[in-house]
Amino acid sequence: GQQVMQIPQYQHVQEGEDFTTYCNSSTTLSNIQWYKQRPGGHPVFLIQLVKSGEVKKQKRLTFQFGEAKKNSSLHITATQTTDVGTYFCAGVEYGNKLVFGAGTILRVKS
Amino acid sequence: ETGVTQSPTHLIKTRGQQVTLRCSSQSGHNTVSWYQQALGQGPQFIFQYYREEENGRGNFPPRFSGLQFPNYSSELNVNALELDDSALYLCASSNRGNSEAFFGQGTRLTVV
Repeated sequence: GQQVMQIPQYQHVQEGEDFTTYCNSSTTLSNIQWYKQRPGGHPVFLIQLVKSGEVKKQKRLTFQFGEAKKNSSLHITATQTTDVGTYFCAGVEYGNKLVFGAGTILRVKS
Repeated sequence: ETGVTQSPTHLIKTRGQQVTLRCSSQSGHNTVSWYQQALGQGPQFIFQYYREEENGRGNFPPRFSGLQFPNYSSELNVNALELDDSALYLCASSNRGNSEAFFGQGTRLTVV
């Protein structure tokens, strides 16, 4: 079945530094979603990417979908303490089934 | 907030017991998916219900079962609980044809 790998597992940055997490799938994805989970919370939908090579921005967050639709990245510019949490990518299989990566934990030092 | 509510929020059960978790989906959504999230891991798909029928199942044993009701709310039942079943159980509500999922706050199950 489909497997989704995410790196790094953990990143600790100084406030104001940039952060990037990468996601790779064992198979071509129809689309990919990104979620954020705050400590003690539940996953919250951030964005969905559908097209090959697609780039979407949400304020300081930039999401990319690879040309082959097998990889994706999330980049945060100038991190803030409110960015703390775990960022998950999820490949979408048939019928809205989500296959999640293991997540990247982001900690921000102020 | 997503409008997806789960109950209870926390639960402690003994090994071998049975448990039922509940989920009310967001208004207008007809699909409910259940996920198990172990500590430090990403959510793992258990199964999905669409219009009261199971519509896909992950790699979980038959002692994990579910229901969806006419109002699209759902239950997850786990029989013969094992220690490894301790996890956060998440319910996600969506509409068929739109894969954006709205998660509830989860039920934290501890099996002792």
